[in-house]
Amino acid sequence: DAGITQSPRHKVTETGTPVTLRCHQTENHRYMYWYRQDPGHGLRLIHYSYGVKDTDKGEVSDGYSVSRSKTEDFLLTLESATSSQTSVYFCAISGSSGASSYEQYFGPGTRLTVT
Amino acid sequence: SQKIEQNSEALNIQEGKTATLTCNYTNYSPAYLQWYRQDPGRGPVFLLLIRENEKEKRKERLKVTFDTTLKQSLFHITASQPADSATYLCALDSSNTGKLIFGQGTTLQVKP
Repeated sequence: DAGITQSPRHKVTETGTPVTLRCHQTENHRYMYWYRQDPGHGLRLIHYSYGVKDTDKGEVSDGYSVSRSKTEDFLLTLESATSSQTSVYFCAISGSSGASSYEQYFGPGTRLTVT
Repeated sequence: SQKIEQNSEALNIQEGKTATLTCNYTNYSPAYLQWYRQDPGRGPVFLLLIRENEKEKRKERLKVTFDTTLKQSLFHITASQPADSATYLCALDSSNTGKLIFGQGTTLQVKP
């Protein structure tokens, strides 16, 4: 978890409210990712970023948006939270991708409960 | 359809034995495959990466093989210890863009 923090670590919110999760890195890595992890589905990619202001959708992006205004911060927003978005959210970073891809380093996770 | 599958049942072995975990995939042609370890309540931790032109990779007590014909990777832990008990995830990059697809993981329990 070194070099990556997520906030908040736990959050309970009501259906229909907006929620923003923050990922902060001190490694100056170019690539950042948001995943959700659910029983029976494993880790699934929501969105990723390949640079400041450069983002792309992952496998399960509906209902989520992201922003990256600085290298160190990657924000995940649920515009109107639903119970199906109750999950554990992980941020990850990597130094490169593509043909010379490297490993990803994960943050400690945020447990989000939507009631 | 595309799938990446790991044994969903927990693997229980005795301390000192070799643990072997399997990762099978269909309808992918990944350039590389990765293995991660995840402990309860924590994020995954990278263990090994093996490329399509590598048959085998080793790191201390860990060994990974990659058979692109069988579309399978095997992950071995030799001389297993109770501290190796965790969930192990395999992941592949289906589009060579760094966007990983993860298996659901296999939980390993090493008994003293």
